[in-house]
Amino acid sequence: GEDVEQSLFLSVREGDSSVINCTYTDSSSTYLYWYKQEPGAGLQLLTYIFSNMDMKQDQRLTVLLNKKDKHLSLRIADTQTGDSAIYFCAERDDKIIFGKGTRLHILP
Amino acid sequence: NAGVMQNPRHLVRRRGQEARLRCSPMKGHSHVYWYRQLPEEGLKFMVYLQKENIIDESGMPKERFSAEFPKEGPSILRIQQVVRGDSAAYFCASSPWGEQPQHFGDGTRLSIL
Repeated sequence: GEDVEQSLFLSVREGDSSVINCTYTDSSSTYLYWYKQEPGAGLQLLTYIFSNMDMKQDQRLTVLLNKKDKHLSLRIADTQTGDSAIYFCAERDDKIIFGKGTRLHILP
Repeated sequence: NAGVMQNPRHLVRRRGQEARLRCSPMKGHSHVYWYRQLPEEGLKFMVYLQKENIIDESGMPKERFSAEFPKEGPSILRIQQVVRGDSAAYFCASSPWGEQPQHFGDGTRLSIL
């Protein structure tokens, strides 16, 4: 069945780059998304990529898609304390399937 | 330009009562989705609605749960005879049409006593 896997925790020093990885199983996914969730809040759409793209860059965010390996990554450059949150990878074919989220912790 | 509005933000019910969760989509969005998030888990799809139609309810429990999106007014997720296991955060999302990215509300946190 459809499944999205991501590591549960990541610790990064302030100012370094954060790379959050995700793997998915549905090769017919049309969109792949990254959402950010801060405590007590809903999900904020950070960025998304069409399945026919390899890369998308948006300011400090870079998304890389390896469709052959079904691997998606989110790189956050110059990580700040405000980036501390849970990041959800999601794939979409007819419905959106979410991973369990990666909790990003920023070290001073 | 208001986002997706959900209310109430927090809802407390006793076992056996009914819970009604409301969602007003973003202006111009006619597609609504409901998700459930258990603690330390991702979001699980429940149901996808357009105005007056249920498009996909494959994630809805077979009993006690229902959803509607009337021609006028918000979408409602209704849980009858709530049990402890219904305690979760329920999120609504909307999009202008089915293929577009979904924008989420801040959720309703349901607690069952």
